Amino acid sequence: QKEVEQNSGPLSVPEGAIASLNCTYSDRVSQSFFWYRQYSGKSPELIMSIYSNGDKEDGRFTAQLNKASQYVSLLIRDSQPSDSATYLCAVKRAGGTSYGKLTFGQGTILTVHP
Amino acid sequence: EPEVTQTPSHQVTQMGQEVILRCVPISNHLYFYWYRQILGQKVEFLVSFYNNEISEKSEIFDDQFSVERPDGSNFTLKIRSTKLEDSAMYFCASSGTGGNEKLFFGSGTQLSVL
Repeated sequence: QKEVEQNSGPLSVPEGAIASLNCTYSDRVSQSFFWYRQYSGKSPELIMSIYSNGDKEDGRFTAQLNKASQYVSLLIRDSQPSDSATYLCAVKRAGGTSYGKLTFGQGTILTVHP
Repeated sequence: EPEVTQTPSHQVTQMGQEVILRCVPISNHLYFYWYRQILGQKVEFLVSFYNNEISEKSEIFDDQFSVERPDGSNFTLKIRSTKLEDSAMYFCASSGTGGNEKLFFGSGTQLSVL
């Protein structure tokens, strides 16, 4: 069973702090990695994608990928109360017909308190 | 911004009844997907659909489930004889191409089987 593991939290950080979210995956054939944000009762919303080792920055968000360690993380700088949500890590395998078959982690609940 | 639309937003049905969940993917997208999320659990892949046929399906997607693209715009998920355990939020998604193209999720249909 190919798994994606996340600490379910909740992770609580003060406003303005850095929130660090982590994810590990078991399938070495994984190719693409995504972070989604999901507000309660809503659909997942893509916030970052990363495909190669290293860091990728987009505004207040930085995704980090280490394929050797099978680890992907998301940093949120200057956290705001509106960032409070569940953050889902999702992984896609390489090749085959797995075009959009994402395997999701259970999500980490982030709470940013004023 | 283009979006994936799903109807209805809520569906209540009796066990054993058939339900059809409807989705209108983004107009120039070619790949279509159904995911589901049981309350408090992971988002799970059900099926992917490309070129008028299923390209991949999960173990969840058994003979009770079917998908169809009846015209150029709609994409439907049919559950033939609903069970209590089919109660979940069902998300439709689409992407422009396969590979690393990101998925756009619809707002979901909350299905409750009584």
